[in-house]
Amino acid sequence: NAGVTQTPKFQVLKTGQSMTLQCAQDMNHNSMYWYRQDPGMGLRLIYYSASEGTTDKGEVPNGYNVSRLNKREFSLRLESAAPSQTSVYFCASSGSSSLQGGTYNEQFFGPGTRLTVL
Amino acid sequence: GENVEQHPSTLSVQEGDSAVIKCTYSDSASNYFPWYKQELGKGPQLIIDIRSNVGEKKDQRIAVTLNKTAKHFSLHITETQPEDSAVYFCAASSSGSARQLTFGSGTQLTVLP
Repeated sequence: NAGVTQTPKFQVLKTGQSMTLQCAQDMNHNSMYWYRQDPGMGLRLIYYSASEGTTDKGEVPNGYNVSRLNKREFSLRLESAAPSQTSVYFCASSGSSSLQGGTYNEQFFGPGTRLTVL
Repeated sequence: GENVEQHPSTLSVQEGDSAVIKCTYSDSASNYFPWYKQELGKGPQLIIDIRSNVGEKKDQRIAVTLNKTAKHFSLHITETQPEDSAVYFCAASSSGSARQLTFGSGTQLTVLP
């Protein structure tokens, strides 16, 4: 049981290049998320997928696209990388649990991809 | 949307002392409040969470308190150890189909031996 895996671990791009960050989970979770982490700003949600076949914008979606390939995999694409996209990117997945009538969110994170755009 | 503020941004304590990190949230509909620990070079890991139907939860040296009226919640670590040194994030979420988490900006905790 690997949990959430991400590839690559590190990447350096030149401005204007494109790339896809891969994420997979083996916990049979319905929901998956992409965050970026910048110093002093915590984690900000880029896109999420509440269930297979659906995707929605988060707080900072500009410059990114996503694909929920199947229940296990959720990829993040940068079509034309910019220096402002230099960041650490985390994928997460979530299985909901119900308690006393409420549905709650427990997210499990991957190890991250450190991206530098020159 | 939800806004979560976290204080302090850095915290240094002597080994064995207690550490307290505080968060406030803005959306009264939020009902789930997890805390994550992030070690250097790794992804955040859930350490404890609390639902809105309880005011306090404890797990060994870690406890979380929630005041829904004031819209704030806190993480308490007692008998701190060097391995507690990490960045800690609070978050808030409301139930529903989106179930998004909004994170605080993080607290760098350093436990001095």
